[in-house]
Amino acid sequence: GAVVSQHPSWVICKSGTSVKIECRSLDFQATTMFWYRQFPKQSLMLMATSNEGSKATYEQGVEKDKFLINHASLTLSTLTVTSAHPEDSSFYICSAQIRVSTGELFFGEGSRLTVL
Amino acid sequence: AQSVAQPEDQVNVAEGNPLTVKCTYSVSGNPYLFWYVQYPNRGLQFLLKYITGDNLVKGSYGFEAEFNKSQTSFHLKKPSALVSDSALYFCAVSLSGGGGNKLTFGTGTQLKVEL
Repeated sequence: GAVVSQHPSWVICKSGTSVKIECRSLDFQATTMFWYRQFPKQSLMLMATSNEGSKATYEQGVEKDKFLINHASLTLSTLTVTSAHPEDSSFYICSAQIRVSTGELFFGEGSRLTVL
Repeated sequence: AQSVAQPEDQVNVAEGNPLTVKCTYSVSGNPYLFWYVQYPNRGLQFLLKYITGDNLVKGSYGFEAEFNKSQTSFHLKKPSALVSDSALYFCAVSLSGGGGNKLTFGTGTQLKVEL
């Protein structure tokens, strides 16, 4: 099946610093990638839709200046959490759409961000 | 708007017994339905999907799900549960047509299979 790689798996940073999370589709080209945030024992909250070569589309309530998304190539999307604060600590998951006709998504392993 | 309901936060099953994880959906149009499984601190793994055709869909690890249009349900089932099936299960729906349509996830059901 399709493989989506997400890096880093774990990251701890100080408050006020920025953290970049990468999402790569390893064996297919992904024109569309999605970024989710998951709180403990809760469902996935869609943050934004990332389209290759264009600006990301953010969901209502998600600060685009805090969560910068870049989709520079067909295999790479990045999420940068800028000026991180403890409330940004969460599990971030990316996914890539492999088949437009069916909307099937494949997910990365997730990145656990802890802001001290 | 589309939505998914997973009425049970947790399901407990004895190993070897059949399991069912419930899911109902609401969508204005023909749905695409998915089940994903998540192990602790991991991403989601695709289990199965319903797009069209046979209402009974077979997926990975012996799981299957039945699409019931009249009841707007897509319950996940397995004839004989394993301890290793213990995980968090998510049902998801999108509108048919793909095209980058977003998946809407349910709140998840924690499955616990005990010896």
